[in-house]
Amino acid sequence: KAGVTQTPRYLIKTRGQQVTLSCSPISGHRSVSWYQQTPGQGLQFLFEYFSETQRNKGNFPGRFSGRQFSNSRSEMNVSTLELGDSALYLCASTRQGSNTGELFFGEGSRLTVL
Amino acid sequence: KQEVTQIPAALSVPEGENLVLNCSFTDSAIYNLQWFRQDPGKGLTSLLLIQSSQREQTSGRLNASLDKSSGRSTLYIAASQPGDSATYLCAVAGIYNQGGKLIFGQGTELSVKP
Repeated sequence: KAGVTQTPRYLIKTRGQQVTLSCSPISGHRSVSWYQQTPGQGLQFLFEYFSETQRNKGNFPGRFSGRQFSNSRSEMNVSTLELGDSALYLCASTRQGSNTGELFFGEGSRLTVL
Repeated sequence: KQEVTQIPAALSVPEGENLVLNCSFTDSAIYNLQWFRQDPGKGLTSLLLIQSSQREQTSGRLNASLDKSSGRSTLYIAASQPGDSATYLCAVAGIYNQGGKLIFGQGTELSVKP
């Protein structure tokens, strides 16, 4: 079956702009999580959505936001971009009701802020 | 606050060697622990997931163990191959995990020389 799909794969923005990233989870998965990966901080949890509701949030400023649609697809938005927002943004999905809680990741969206 | 540490940060071995990657965590109240592999510029591939009630999991040449009381996990790779070269990450889910929030270590960058 198809894995987690993230678009776009690469994008370049300038400071002050905003960006929207998209994630389509594995069919049947209802939870979507977002992570930021940078060389200095590693992988950091941004937020998680389940049934169109945010149920977990990491320690990021309000410029980072997300949403989930009724088909479980999710988007995250970063407003007023800063140079430090340059990172690989990873999306992961997991099944609701799964005892394992195993996460499956997409290939990521590489954001470069100039 | 849960902290995850992986040692060593980098490891270079000749092909055919058996090797062990280490992961330690500070809070033993975990739901599960997951090992991932990441190739350069790519997303994460799930390798093994160990529930908190389990001691080990095996998949092919990989074996992961978990000692919750001491806050340690190891990933054993048998008969290493150049194709095993990648960064290996461990991540823990807290006992109150609701699906998508993992705390990651910084990873071990493995290089297997032919």
